[in-house]
This record gives sequence, C-alpha cells and structure tokens, in this order.
Amino acid sequence: DSGVTQTPKHLITATGQRVTLRCSPRSGDLSVYWYQQSLDQGLQFLIQYYNGEERAKGNILERFSAQQFPDLHSELNLSSLELGDSALYFCASSPLRASLYEQYFGPGTRLTVT
Amino acid sequence: SQQGEEDPQALSIQEGENATMNCSYKTSINNLQWYRQNSGRGLVHLILIRSNEREKHSGRLRVTLDTSKKSSSLLITASRAADTASYFCATDSNSGYALNFGKGTSLLVTP
Repeated sequence: DSGVTQTPKHLITATGQRVTLRCSPRSGDLSVYWYQQSLDQGLQFLIQYYNGEERAKGNILERFSAQQFPDLHSELNLSSLELGDSALYFCASSPLRASLYEQYFGPGTRLTVT
Repeated sequence: SQQGEEDPQALSIQEGENATMNCSYKTSINNLQWYRQNSGRGLVHLILIRSNEREKHSGRLRVTLDTSKKSSSLLITASRAADTASYFCATDSNSGYALNFGKGTSLLVTP
C-alpha cells in the first residue's frame, strides 16, 4: 500500500460526459502528479501540483483540468469525453521535486468511455 | 513527451535466470528511476540512481547508469515468478518537476 488513494476505482461513462477523479496523497507529501496510461500512448504525464499551485504541465488536453485543495487532495476533471480518453489514470505523490524523490502511485482509476 | 525508451519490449525467462532491461534517454538528466507495475496496478518505485552514480544495488536489483551513452540497465538476479511485471525507467524533465516514463519492458518469469 503506497498510501495514495484514488477514487473511484472504475468509471464507465458515455461520450460527451464529464467526470471527476479524486486523489489523496501520502501523508506529508506536498506534490501531486497525474498520469494517463493507455496501450498506445504508454504512461503520459499530465500535470503536477505542489502545495496547491500548478507547477508543471505535460500532455494535458484543454478538456482536462485539475486542482489541488488546501488539504492537499487533488481532483482531475475530464470533460467532453471521447472514446480515446478511455485509459487508466494514476495519481502519484512525492514530498517535493520529482527528480529528487521517488513517486508513490495510487492504484489508479480505470475510465471507460462508451 | 516520453524520453526514456526501454529495450526489449518483452522478455520471457525461467525462474532462477537473470533478467536485464535497458533504458536509453535523449537529454541530460539529474536522476533516473526504475519502477515496476503489476498488471493494471499502480507503479512501485524500485530504485533511484543519481547522475553522478554509476551503479546501485538493492537486494536482487542492480542498476547501472552511463551518462555518456545516455543509457541505464536494470538487472534482476535469480528471478522469481513474482517478478513478472512491466518495468519502466523514468527520467526527470528539464524543470525537474515531472518524470518522463518509457513504454516499459514486459517481463514474464515462468516457473
């Protein structure tokens, strides 16, 4: 158990819909990262927050957004969903900068868009 | 974008054999990390090697780093069926705030 929790575990929804994925980092970790894993694209970094502020952006679509709240939990919002958004979405946390510390991954949310 | 690239894409060995996976990357790094993922589960950190280190050990794992060749290798000795998983290398981005993962090596260890 990494200490990172993600809800829900599975999500099935239709195209055009909007969903929110939730992540609670390990106790004491200030950085939260979101990743998307699909068969064709592999593991893609989406976005990172540190202590409530956005710090780095990766391959995140404009239809996607995220935020980190004062209690350090984070939410990833995916809107106008398309079939291609079906993937595993992982949240990870670390104390500070990624390059200095390992990242602890949550169990993931499997999103299926039908 | 992905920077690390693992080789081979898939590897099948028998229990007791050693497994070697390689990772190549394109730009300079501060550190390189190896992660393991069991099917459909979250990634688990295995080892971090800094750019000024050449070799690091952790249990049955041995990681090497050659910054001149921009490559790293992960050796798992005396493999077990429980080592069956995908293995990813990850390099830090220019900003240092994110990790770039390769597509991974899928390892199958048969009894």
